[in-house]
Formats: sequence, C-alpha cells, structure tokens
Amino acid sequence: DAKTTQPPSMDCAEGRAANLPCNHSTISGNEYVYWYRQIHSQGPQYIIHGLKNNETNEMASLIITEDRKSSTLILPHATLRDTAVYYCIVRVGSDMRFGAGTRLTVKP
Amino acid sequence: NAGVTQTPKFQVLKTGQSMTLQCAQDMNHEYMSWYRQDPGMGLRLIHYSVGAGITDQGEVPNGYNVSRSTTEDFPLRLLSAAPSQTSVYFCASSQTGTLDRELFFGEGSRLTVL
Repeated sequence: DAKTTQPPSMDCAEGRAANLPCNHSTISGNEYVYWYRQIHSQGPQYIIHGLKNNETNEMASLIITEDRKSSTLILPHATLRDTAVYYCIVRVGSDMRFGAGTRLTVKP
Repeated sequence: NAGVTQTPKFQVLKTGQSMTLQCAQDMNHEYMSWYRQDPGMGLRLIHYSVGAGITDQGEVPNGYNVSRSTTEDFPLRLLSAAPSQTSVYFCASSQTGTLDRELFFGEGSRLTVL
C-alpha cells in the first residue's frame, strides 16, 4: 500500500496559489517525499522532491513539516494547464509506489 | 535524447494471446520499472529492475514476466493475456544507487484484451 494520504480532489482559481496536502505519518528517516503530476493520460511528470528541508524549483515549492509527517506542494500561480492528478509519494527502497493522488481542477 | 520509449502505443489482443511491451531508455539509467494504470486509478507497480540481470516484483506481478539483459531495455511479457490486463502500461527509469533520483516516464502503451 502507498504510504501517503491525499484528498481525492481540490479546486483552485486561476492565478491563485494551489496548496496540495499530503500525509505521510509513517515515513522513515531516509525516505524522500516526491511529487509527480499526470495530465490527462500522459506519463507522470516529475515536479519536485525533498528530504527534510523545504525545496523550490521553477514549477513549485515543497514544504515539509519539521516532524516530516506531512508536506504541502504549492503551485504559486495556478494556470488552467496545471489541471491534473497530483501524486505524493514516499520512496520505499528501490521502488516508487503511487497512490490515487489528488485531482486538482484549476477554474477560470 | 529520446528518453524513455515505449512500443507499441496501442495494442488489441484476444484472450490467451501473448505479447511483449517494449521499453528502451537512452539515459544509461540503472533502474527501470513497469506500472499499470486502470481507469480512474493511480499507477500500480508491476516489476522493477535495479540493473542488468536483476529484477524484482512490485505490487501486481501476476501474469507478467520481465527480464533485463541490457541496461537499455526492459521488456514486459504477457504470456497469456486476460481481459483483466486491459490497462495503460507505463515504463519508467531513473538513476539508482540512492533514493534521490526522479523517475522519467514513457508515454504509455494502451492494451485492450478482448
């Protein structure tokens, strides 16, 4: 089973920040948190990952709580093209297991 | 640089037929894996490989075989297709050795078993 819990769906207004939560209360000390998204039926696309510290790249920011039991993916200015299913994953050893993800709908 | 290439993109099989889904990557990645995605669901790991000659089972390995004779290729074989194997299949690869590496995905292979 996936080691993460995400809300099944969220809406966000275009131009606003989208904050996608993820719970990973059983995460181990050396396990990374990864975020991917899947647009329509395309292959998943890597967004960002982190271990302990907050991370930022050109796509998004990742905020990990101090106890590492949860994290939030932030899309600072959501556009219609950000409508997708977003997956939060805790990498377990050599394999990466996806849960059901959060379906984010960005509305005009 | 093609990345991860999957063939075929679409395939229709009859129950009991066999086929191989091909996956190739040109990034010299050690780690490769196969996922299936059923309608409205997330991806489920079928098999993975951490290097040539090494394979292991994921969440849903039954009905599928894999081999890894080269670093570049990781074919997925269905020996006797069943309607329950109708799905979209994704191949992925990454560098290995640590947990700090992203997965690169192919565009998917859509399989229908009648």
